[in-house]
Amino acid sequence: DVKVTQSSRYLVKRTGEKVFLECVQDMDHENMFWYRQDPGLGLRLIYFSYDVKMKEKGDIPEGYSVSREKKERFSLILESASTNQTSMYLCASKPGQSWGETQYFGPGTRLLVL
Amino acid sequence: GENVEQHPSTLSVQEGDSAVIKCTYSDSASNYFPWYKQELGKRPQLIIDIRSNVGEKKDQRIAVTLNKTAKHFSLHITETQPEDSAVYFCAASKRNSGYSTLTFGKGTMLLVSP
Repeated sequence: DVKVTQSSRYLVKRTGEKVFLECVQDMDHENMFWYRQDPGLGLRLIYFSYDVKMKEKGDIPEGYSVSREKKERFSLILESASTNQTSMYLCASKPGQSWGETQYFGPGTRLLVL
Repeated sequence: GENVEQHPSTLSVQEGDSAVIKCTYSDSASNYFPWYKQELGKRPQLIIDIRSNVGEKKDQRIAVTLNKTAKHFSLHITETQPEDSAVYFCAASKRNSGYSTLTFGKGTMLLVSP
């Protein structure tokens, strides 16, 4: 059974803080993704990685960066948190670079920036 | 880039009725269309998907249809039950330089009343 875990379910940070969100998958998946989910906006792709140390911008990368030093771990970094980054953050992974493979999601981290 | 429109944003039905959710996509190169279900407080999970070489796919009470010419696809749920209540997301994917990403619709909140 695929397992994708995220370091925190809830997080409260102050404006200007540097924030790290961690995601770990245990199925040796090559591809990993970070989304944010906001009411009425669906899931929007922030960044993704198709291999260790590789990263690609998604649709809304501004204000975020990522790190993938190991295959199983993909970190989302908010360099200087702002209130408009208050959101639900979802990590996902999928097996490889083949077309049409299922993305498996983590439980999400609800971030509140004050 | 790809744009996925999803309608309706909310849908209320009586138990036993059918429910239909529709999505349109903009990029004719998209070739994989999954549907995810997200129950309250839970992570999105794949419920059914369809590839562009198929017009219809069925799995028990759920089915998905695809019209490539019109660039739209639909989710059909028959004999709805209260446990079908959730937010449903459609998505479209295409292969791009060896990797693929999903573009999601904004979601449909389905409420099934007993």
